[in-house]
Amino acid sequence: KAGVTQTPRYLIKTRGQQVTLSCSPISGHRSVSWYQQTPGQGLQFLFEYFSETQRNKGNFPGRFSGRQFSNSRSEMNVSTLELGDSALYLCASSPPRPGPGTGELFFGEGSRLTVL
Amino acid sequence: GQQVMQIPQYQHVQEGEDFTTYCNSSTTLSNIQWYKQRPGGHPVFLIQLVKSGEVKKQKRLTFQFGEAKKNSSLHITATQTTDVGTYFCAGGRANNLFFGTGTRLTVIP
Repeated sequence: KAGVTQTPRYLIKTRGQQVTLSCSPISGHRSVSWYQQTPGQGLQFLFEYFSETQRNKGNFPGRFSGRQFSNSRSEMNVSTLELGDSALYLCASSPPRPGPGTGELFFGEGSRLTVL
Repeated sequence: GQQVMQIPQYQHVQEGEDFTTYCNSSTTLSNIQWYKQRPGGHPVFLIQLVKSGEVKKQKRLTFQFGEAKKNSSLHITATQTTDVGTYFCAGGRANNLFFGTGTRLTVIP
């Protein structure tokens, strides 16, 4: 079974630009979460999508947005990039779980964004 | 703000020594997960604990979930160079998963 695939792996942008990152979850996984990882802040939760609906949202400004398609693939977009947006953006999918509560996350390799 | 605190932030040990990282939450958790991230890699799921006071072992790794379901620990016995990486706990509550800041383990051969 293929793992979580994220594209692009690396990208460089300049301040003010916008960026779109893509994530293909493991087949059969309908939940996709996005995290921002920086050396100083660790893993910060951005949002979670399930069946094309945003189910949870972290504490990030509106410049950060996402969506999920009917095939469970997800994209996140960051508009008006700032220097502080430089980070590793990780996508994770999780399998269906029988009840409420959190399931284990399967992370992709991440997209490393550098904002100059 | 940070919902789950993890200490220490860094730990350097001599190969063969033991290592422990601790995770604390101010609120009761429904479950605790542990992940390992190798340098340059992505977090990989290790284990999930759900029951109060639960203890699970994976070879040299021992995971504990506190009786009050507010804290957890990961203990590695006789560290090896392959244990190098950052260990994250993640506390589950109300369908959310809150990651700790991680403990970066360095093993000196």
